[in-house]
Formats: sequence, C-alpha cells, structure tokens
Amino acid sequence: AQSVSQHNHHVILSEAASLELGCNYSYGGTVNLFWYVQYPGQHLQLLLKYFSGDPLVKGIKGFEAEFIKSKFSFNLRKPSVQWSDTAEYFCAVNASPPGSARQLTFGSGTQLTVLP
Amino acid sequence: SQTIHQWPATLVQPVGSPLSLECTVEGTSNPNLYWYRQAAGRGLQLLFYSVGIGQISSEVPQNLSASRPQDRQFILSSKKLLLSDSGFYLCAWSTQGTEQYFGPGTRLTVT
Repeated sequence: AQSVSQHNHHVILSEAASLELGCNYSYGGTVNLFWYVQYPGQHLQLLLKYFSGDPLVKGIKGFEAEFIKSKFSFNLRKPSVQWSDTAEYFCAVNASPPGSARQLTFGSGTQLTVLP
Repeated sequence: SQTIHQWPATLVQPVGSPLSLECTVEGTSNPNLYWYRQAAGRGLQLLFYSVGIGQISSEVPQNLSASRPQDRQFILSSKKLLLSDSGFYLCAWSTQGTEQYFGPGTRLTVT
C-alpha cells in the first residue's frame, strides 16, 4: 500500500525566509502528486499538482514543488514566505490505475507559522 | 463552475444517537465522491468513496456507513454514534484521473 510521509510537523519561520517542506512517498509505480493547503477557517484547497512532464511544477501564490523520482520525493518550496502563508500543508499521492476512483493518500500535514 | 456543499457545518450529538451528514455537488456530472475524516496531526483518512449511484467502497471498518442516492449526493450515516466518531468530516469530488476538490467540512462532537 502507498504511504506518504511529512517529517516536519510544525515549521516556524519569519517573513521573507525561504520555505521547504518535505514529502516522501512509498510506491514504485507511476504516481500523481499533490500539495493541498488549509488556511485557518477555510476549505482544503489545491496548491499544485504533478501528473507528468516537467518535474518542477508551479502553483498558486508563488509556491513550487519538485518531483524527484529517484528519491520518491515531492518537496514544496517558496523563496520568500509571507504572514498570509500561515496554514497547514498536506502532501498527497495517488497511484491507482487510470479509470479507477484514484483515491488519495495524505501525509499527516505540516503546520506552517509565519511570524510577522 | 463546480461547487460542493456540506451540512451541517457543526453538530453536537450524544453517544448512541444516529447521524446523517450530507454532501452535494453542483456543476458536474457523474463525479467520484469521497468521505474523509481529518484528525489533528494525522492528516486525512479516507472513509468511503463512490464511483456512481449506489456504488460505495469502504476503506476502513467502522461504525459509519455511506450512501449515494443521487448522482451528486453523498451521505454519511451512523445508527449509533460512539465517542470515537468525533472529528472533522470532509467530502470531496473528482472526475476520473484528476485532483479532488473538498467541501467546507462538518465538525462533529459526540458527547
């Protein structure tokens, strides 16, 4: 069965600092990868996704993530965080066959707190 | 555009009482539908998913059940709630091969 690990449970940064949140998955086949974000009091929303092609994907609000197949990783990055980036971030993977329900497996989440 | 609704937003129920949470999707046809439970520090746990009317797959054995009486309606139920059923329940939809979109969630407290 596939699994997703997010090793940083809580990250605290000052504004303008650079961010990198780790995500590793366990599955040897073809995967689709996602980062979701949950701002305080808001819906869980998609930040970015990787299906195929360029392993460096860009998402909303200046976030990007790099898929490194050899490391089974999909780390999230942002060069300069803002106070408004304070949120919980979830990495997710699905490895279901095409045409199936394509269930997502989520990591445990990383709470990011950005200090003004 | 597509939207997803969940209600109620919050619910406080005594142990042993029944439960019914509803999720509806607008603006799409024949979506895949999902129920998740979110626990602090543990991410999202998939409870049920459905690929069509009347088709329900359960991911974990538990005190809950799900039904899909209409194409864009997904219901999470229990006959008798347990304390351990407390949590934040999220509904999501997708079309095949794409990302999932989540509703606002229901905060359930079992007392």
